[in-house]
Amino acid sequence: DSGVTQTPKHLITATGQRVTLRCSPRSGDLSVYWYQQSLDQGLQFLIQYYNGEERAKGNILERFSAQQFPDLHSELNLSSLELGDSALYFCASSLTGGPYEQYFGPGTRLTVT
Amino acid sequence: GIQVEQSPPDLILQEGANSTLRCNFSDSVNNLQWFHQNPWGQLINLFYIPSGTKQNGRLSATTVATERYSLLYISSSQTTDSGVYFCAVEVGDSSYKLIFGSGTRLLVRP
Repeated sequence: DSGVTQTPKHLITATGQRVTLRCSPRSGDLSVYWYQQSLDQGLQFLIQYYNGEERAKGNILERFSAQQFPDLHSELNLSSLELGDSALYFCASSLTGGPYEQYFGPGTRLTVT
Repeated sequence: GIQVEQSPPDLILQEGANSTLRCNFSDSVNNLQWFHQNPWGQLINLFYIPSGTKQNGRLSATTVATERYSLLYISSSQTTDSGVYFCAVEVGDSSYKLIFGSGTRLLVRP
């Protein structure tokens, strides 16, 4: 158990819908990262938050957004869902925004039908 | 951007055999991590090893940063070692994001 929690574990929804994925980092970690794992793109970085502020963006679609709350949990919002958004979404956390070891949550498996 | 290449892409072993997985990267890195993704999809931290050698039970890893590669050694493999092994690097831009290789898929047969 990494100490990073993600909910829900599985999500099945229809095209055009909007979903919210939730992540709680390890106790004491200030930085949260979101990654997407799809069959064709592999594991890719989406976005990073550090202590409530956005730190960096990767290959994140405009239909996707995220935030980190004062209690340091984070939410990833996916809207206008398409079939191609079906993937495993991971949250990771690290102690600071620097080059510390990242620990991954169990992931949320999203299926868009 | 940096390229991370893992080899071999697939590996089949008999239980008890040893193996070496390789990760090559095309530029200097600040951080390198090895992960095991089990059949249930969980990413399990194996090593945080930007340089040097570390050992944890039957697993060990070596990173030679100056030559831009890392090796993961699995000894006396067990069926529970099956899954996908990923190497991921962090290149030192402001984001500290991890860039993943495409993985080595390992199957250990009883």
